[in-house]
Amino acid sequence: DAKTTQPPSMDCAEGRAANLPCNHSTISGNEYVYWYRQIHSQGPQYIIHGLKNNETNEMASLIITEDRKSSTLILPHATLRDTAVYYCIVRVDSGYALNFGKGTSLLVTP
Amino acid sequence: GAVVSQHPSRVICKSGTSVKIECRSLDFQATTMFWYRQFPKQSLMLMATSNEGSKATYEQGVEKDKFLINHASLTLSTLTVTSAHPEDSSFYICSAMGGTGVPYNEQFFGPGTRLTVL
Repeated sequence: DAKTTQPPSMDCAEGRAANLPCNHSTISGNEYVYWYRQIHSQGPQYIIHGLKNNETNEMASLIITEDRKSSTLILPHATLRDTAVYYCIVRVDSGYALNFGKGTSLLVTP
Repeated sequence: GAVVSQHPSRVICKSGTSVKIECRSLDFQATTMFWYRQFPKQSLMLMATSNEGSKATYEQGVEKDKFLINHASLTLSTLTVTSAHPEDSSFYICSAMGGTGVPYNEQFFGPGTRLTVL
């Protein structure tokens, strides 16, 4: 699976949009971009995934660049409960284990 | 749907004893379960992959005789840390995937088990 690069930490004011970037310049054509988050001392939680089209669900939006070398996870109205470590993972759809990198520690402040 | 539970949520044991951690898929049958370990301020590291009815596949550097994994049914996998030592203290997380009623390649994570070895 391709490697990803994320900033180690970010801050966001409550109510504002949180935009979390991820670089995956070596992504292959059959690899998906997955986002998970982990709130302190809990198991990871699936957020969203996509191949090349932008995706949106009730939690977030995923914007993937046309060349697929980077993506951005958008939390449209961040709340204090969104404080967590966010992991961007690239994986072949039929792959098995998830390769968690260091992720981005997002702190949402009042 | 797609709930995974772990038991116990936290355990404290003495050095040299063995500890068993259970991972259950509550509302779906999991063909594959994974065990991860997370040390403080570090990311999750895959320990092993287990498929129901077959031997687990361990990642490089993980001692299979120390971390015994049993996946006896489609809803239960257990991880036994044998002769635990303080350096085994960690957050152990399982995930499950596969089976009917859930996306075939989606992993659903348990809440984790905090192991402290004194």
